[in-house]
Amino acid sequence: GDSVTQMEGPVTLSEEAFLTINCTYTATGYPSLFWYVQYPGEGLQLLLKATKADDKGSNKGFEATYRKETTSFHLEKGSVQVSDSAVYFCAPTDSWGKLQFGAGTQVVVTP
Amino acid sequence: DGGITQSPKYLFRKEGQNVTLSCEQNLNHDAMYWYRQDPGQGLRLIYYSQIVNDFQKGDIAEGYSVSREKKESFPLTVTSAQKNPTAFYLCASTGGWVNTGELFFGEGSRLTVL
Repeated sequence: GDSVTQMEGPVTLSEEAFLTINCTYTATGYPSLFWYVQYPGEGLQLLLKATKADDKGSNKGFEATYRKETTSFHLEKGSVQVSDSAVYFCAPTDSWGKLQFGAGTQVVVTP
Repeated sequence: DGGITQSPKYLFRKEGQNVTLSCEQNLNHDAMYWYRQDPGQGLRLIYYSQIVNDFQKGDIAEGYSVSREKKESFPLTVTSAQKNPTAFYLCASTGGWVNTGELFFGEGSRLTVL
């Protein structure tokens, strides 16, 4: 069946470091791909999305490119801030069009 | 402002009791969802509803029940049949067809069974 795998956390970084969170998925057809972010004690917020191959989603300095050939959607940010500390979820749509969530990757950014 | 409101934010219950979590949205969204989140795990779908008076089971529906009598409201009841109900519960909605994928989430309700 459809599934999504993202790198385990926590990922601990210093401020201004480069962040990458890997995400790969299995899916039939052409899923839409999303990254959501969850700040402590809150619900999830959409961070960025891509709906077709080679699309690049971007928001708040984060980027991710829809790579159909490798079924990946890795999240990157060039220079993280303490305020980026959160849990990040990769979420492709499944065969029925519903979101399926990865386990989440906790990111901790220290000053 | 438009959004999704979940209540209560924190809830404690004794074993054997049913509890109902509220979810209200004023976004005029057709589809609504309930997810469960456990530490170190992703979100798991409990129930979802695409239109009023209709809902479907998700991946972990056992021990839960829902209703969708109004477009704005999608309450979740955690029954005594749910073996391990302590978790963080998230309600979400979407305005387009289900397959847009873009969900709007509430702030969540944390249920603790004593």
